[in-house]
Amino acid sequence: EDQVTQSPEALRLQEGESSSLNCSYTVSGLRGLFWYRQDPGKGPEFLFTLYSAGEEKEKERLKATLTKKESFLHITAPKPEDSATYLCAVRANFGNEKLTFGTGTRLTIIP
Amino acid sequence: NAGVTQTPKFQVLKTGQSMTLQCAQDMNHNSMYWYRQDPGMGLRLIYYSASEGTTDKGEVPNGYNVSRLNKREFSLRLESAAPSQTSVYFCASIKAGFSSEKLFFGSGTQLSVL
Repeated sequence: EDQVTQSPEALRLQEGESSSLNCSYTVSGLRGLFWYRQDPGKGPEFLFTLYSAGEEKEKERLKATLTKKESFLHITAPKPEDSATYLCAVRANFGNEKLTFGTGTRLTIIP
Repeated sequence: NAGVTQTPKFQVLKTGQSMTLQCAQDMNHNSMYWYRQDPGMGLRLIYYSASEGTTDKGEVPNGYNVSRLNKREFSLRLESAAPSQTSVYFCASIKAGFSSEKLFFGSGTQLSVL
């Protein structure tokens, strides 16, 4: 059974204080690992898809990296508007259309 | 281009009542999903449809039924609502392709069962 564990559950940072969020996964052959941002009362918003170990993707202050067992979402010099819940999900190899999500990390950036 | 559209946005039911949550996507995606989101439990898959005419159970299918009416629409039905089904429900569809997969979500339905 596919499993995704995210840590920490919640993180409070001062504006400009860089940090990383962790997503550990167990899957029978990784097809893709997804990162999403979710604001209160809204649906998750797509950030990145990573496919193979060593891959990195960047968007503004966010950078996602992938190893064979985990993914990190690095946040550099965050701003208050980066406050949100960040979700990680995995999709197994072809033949299995399921996406399994972690419980998320609630990030708060303090001005 | 509306993306994924869910209706209704809010709903209050009494125990035992039935209702259908509607979802439609205009992106020509093959796969569609229904998730529920509860505090501390993340998004849990209820049902999914890999293509028109096919549906499969996810992690928490009990108490729900689905219909993939056509390629655009995927509905979720609660036949006899229970308080345990109070949750926020999200529909999603995926653009699949080599190195370009993206899952798009609707804005959600907040359901309360009294």
